Amino acid sequence: GAVVSQHPSWVICKSGTSVKIECRSLDFQATTMFWYRQFPKQSLMLMATSNEGSKATYEQGVEKDKFLINHASLTLSTLTVTSAHPEDSSFYICSATAGAQSGYTFGSGTRLTVV
Amino acid sequence: AQSVTQPDIHITVSEGASLELRCNYSYGATPYLFWYVQSPGQGLQLLLKYFSGDTLVQGIKGFEAEFKRSQSSFNLRKPSVHWSDAAEYFCAVGASSSGDKLTFGTGTRLAVRP
Repeated sequence: GAVVSQHPSWVICKSGTSVKIECRSLDFQATTMFWYRQFPKQSLMLMATSNEGSKATYEQGVEKDKFLINHASLTLSTLTVTSAHPEDSSFYICSATAGAQSGYTFGSGTRLTVV
Repeated sequence: AQSVTQPDIHITVSEGASLELRCNYSYGATPYLFWYVQSPGQGLQLLLKYFSGDTLVQGIKGFEAEFKRSQSSFNLRKPSVHWSDAAEYFCAVGASSSGDKLTFGTGTRLAVRP
């Protein structure tokens, strides 16, 4: 089946630094990748949609300058949290699809803690 | 805009008992419907999905769901729950007209009583 690798699985960083999270589709070409944020015991909130070779589309309220998304190839998307602050601490999950009918595969998530 | 409602925040069932998790959606056309399961600190695993055709969908781990257009529902069922089924369950809806974005319900946390 389709596999999406996301890493790191957890990261602790100092306030003011930047953190990059990678999302790779290992055995299929992902035309679209999605980035979600999940607060404890809450649902997934879509942050942005990225298509290979084009700029990401951010959801309302998501700061595009803080959460930089790059989708340089059909198998890799990255989310960079810039100038991280404690309020950015959260669980970030990516998802990849080759089209809705092919299904959506999720990464295992990244726990970000900003101290 | 599409939306998903999971009215039950938390459900506890005894091991071996049957289970039904409710999901209602709001969307003008026939959406794509999904059920995912999430264990603590993990990503989401697909249980089953519905796009078209047979309204009763079989999934992994003995789960099934039935699409009822008249009720705008896609409830998840399992005839006999195992202790390992304890997790968070999310219903999600997507549509090609929304750029294939998925909208998630708030989730239902399932606890299994020994």
